[in-house]
Amino acid sequence: DVKVTQSSRYLVKRTGEKVFLECVQDMDHENMFWYRQDPGLGLRLIYFSYDVKMKEKGDIPEGYSVSREKKERFSLILESASTNQTSMYLCASSLGHSNSPLHFGNGTRLTVT
Amino acid sequence: AQTVTQSQPEMSVQEAETVTLSCTYDTSESDYYLFWYKQPPSRQMILVIRQEAYKQQNATENRFSVNFQKAAKSFSLKISDSQLGDAAMYFCASLSGGSNYKLTFGKGTLLTVNP
Repeated sequence: DVKVTQSSRYLVKRTGEKVFLECVQDMDHENMFWYRQDPGLGLRLIYFSYDVKMKEKGDIPEGYSVSREKKERFSLILESASTNQTSMYLCASSLGHSNSPLHFGNGTRLTVT
Repeated sequence: AQTVTQSQPEMSVQEAETVTLSCTYDTSESDYYLFWYKQPPSRQMILVIRQEAYKQQNATENRFSVNFQKAAKSFSLKISDSQLGDAAMYFCASLSGGSNYKLTFGKGTLLTVNP
């Protein structure tokens, strides 16, 4: 079974802090994704990566960056956290062909105060 | 660009009854895939069912089935013999073959199952 692990389930940070959200998958998947989930808005794609050191912006990349130095790990970085980045963050991975479903982690609920 | 619309923010069903969740999508691609995901209170997103657009036959997974109407761009999910464990947020999603594997999600439908 594919396992996608997010390092924190809950996180509380202060405005202006640099925040790292870590995600690791154990099935050698090529693609990895970071989504943000907000009530009434569904899931919105922040960034994704289809290979090591490769990244593409999603629909809402502003205020975020990512890092993929190893195939199994995909990090989301908030350079200077703001209160409007309080949200649920979901990491996902998939194989590198178009009908491959996404496998999700359990999510990190980030609160920025 | 793809869009996915779920017009029912909330639905409820009695245990053992059948419920249908609606989804419409819009894409200019000829090659695409459609998915239903379930997110229970544990927050783990779980794939429920998927449909390839080139297949005319509706996908079925045990008590879950879809009604795929390609011309109408409709992809509804039917849950038969509803169980308490089916209570969750359900998301419809689409993926086009040329999209670098990005899924576009609807806003979700919260399903309540009443005992």
